[in-house]
Amino acid sequence: GENVEQHPSTLSVQEGDSAVIKCTYSDSASNYFPWYKQELGKRPQLIIDIRSNVGEKKDQRIAVTLNKTAKHFSLHITETQPEDSAVYFCAARYTGYSTLTFGKGTMLLVSP
Amino acid sequence: GAGVSQSPSNKVTEKGKDVELRCDPISGHTALYWYRQSLGQGLEFLIYFQGNSAPDKSGLPSDRFSAERTGGSVSTLTIQRTQQEDSAVYLCASSLAHGATNEKLFFGSGTQLSVL
Repeated sequence: GENVEQHPSTLSVQEGDSAVIKCTYSDSASNYFPWYKQELGKRPQLIIDIRSNVGEKKDQRIAVTLNKTAKHFSLHITETQPEDSAVYFCAARYTGYSTLTFGKGTMLLVSP
Repeated sequence: GAGVSQSPSNKVTEKGKDVELRCDPISGHTALYWYRQSLGQGLEFLIYFQGNSAPDKSGLPSDRFSAERTGGSVSTLTIQRTQQEDSAVYLCASSLAHGATNEKLFFGSGTQLSVL
């Protein structure tokens, strides 16, 4: 089955800095890569996703890049704000009858 | 309902007791997932239901864990003879369907299970 590794486990940045979270996956058949954000005490919510037919996707201050050859993908957050503080999970799956496998999460702390 | 509903929100039980956790997905969502969230362990996949297909039970950690989904809607996760290591937040999620355009998971608020 799929295995997703996520780094770092914790990340502290100053407000306004950029943050990058990296994930690798094992199954070359995986073709869907979402990112979920979980604020303290709340449920995870999808913030952005990318499919294997594109290399990069942007949505305002967040972007995701995908390198299929290396089997890794990254989340980039620019101009970080305190409200970006949360745990971020990457995930991977093959579009079809398969589960969504998550990484172990990255706790991002943005200090004012 | 407006979202995925889970009950109870908190459950405290004694070691060795059985517990049932309930998930009511968003109406019309054919895919339903159970995940377990322990501190530092991320979102651990337990079981996946998709329509009328046989569920993917590959994530269930032992035969003490089972789940069913009746009528393609409400799901119940049962843990028999609970152990302290079962303590975690159990999250349910649903999605409209698997496939290229309907893969967004909507999570419930979870059940915090504490086994004393």
